[in-house]
Amino acid sequence: GAGVSQSPRYKVAKRGQDVALRCDPISGHVSLFWYQQALGQGPEFLTYFQNEAQLDKSGLPSDRFFAERPEGSVSTLKIQRTQQEDSAVYLCASSELPRDLSNQPQHFGDGTRLSIL
Amino acid sequence: GDSVTQMEGPVTLSEEAFLTINCTYTATGYPSLFWYVQYPGEGLQLLLKATKADDKGSNKGFEATYRKETTSFHLEKGSVQVSDSAVYFCALRDSNDYKLSFGAGTTVTVRA
Repeated sequence: GAGVSQSPRYKVAKRGQDVALRCDPISGHVSLFWYQQALGQGPEFLTYFQNEAQLDKSGLPSDRFFAERPEGSVSTLKIQRTQQEDSAVYLCASSELPRDLSNQPQHFGDGTRLSIL
Repeated sequence: GDSVTQMEGPVTLSEEAFLTINCTYTATGYPSLFWYVQYPGEGLQLLLKATKADDKGSNKGFEATYRKETTSFHLEKGSVQVSDSAVYFCALRDSNDYKLSFGAGTTVTVRA
């Protein structure tokens, strides 16, 4: 398909385990975003990539959260030593142009639902 | 900082009823405004947008008008269908920024 693809769709982990969430953006999209959506809330910004450069990680809640996009395409969000409060849906979005200066919309994937037991 | 406040749900309507979801915002710059929809089991989809004051965004029978004087972007549909059952999110992106700020979402259920 031509949309943003995220895997896995669901992830269950025990507290203290490390997890890795994958995002395949739309081909050719320069900008990539990660958001965290807690139950019953709207998405909250985590981090932003322009190609392989992580230009903003101000939304990452702690140093247990790490994101990378080494070749400017696929991105991975890693959470180390997971805690129960990390349970949420993690959304990835991509857009065509840097920083959406042309107001191009962000295209979202279906998300990964992470449950920490 | 930027923030979005939208009408709390859940909202339950009968088919063909009129739907309004209120949304107000606070922004430091001159934002673009969006409505996203999340159908059950699916990701966020852009429903409509407006980039400047008095612009009206429209799609699938939904409309919203960017009102700078009242800092609002209320979503309306004149006759809802069961297939409109979803969670609706109001969002903004401030000028000179790239990230979206979302409201908490409003769950809409339309009964046949």
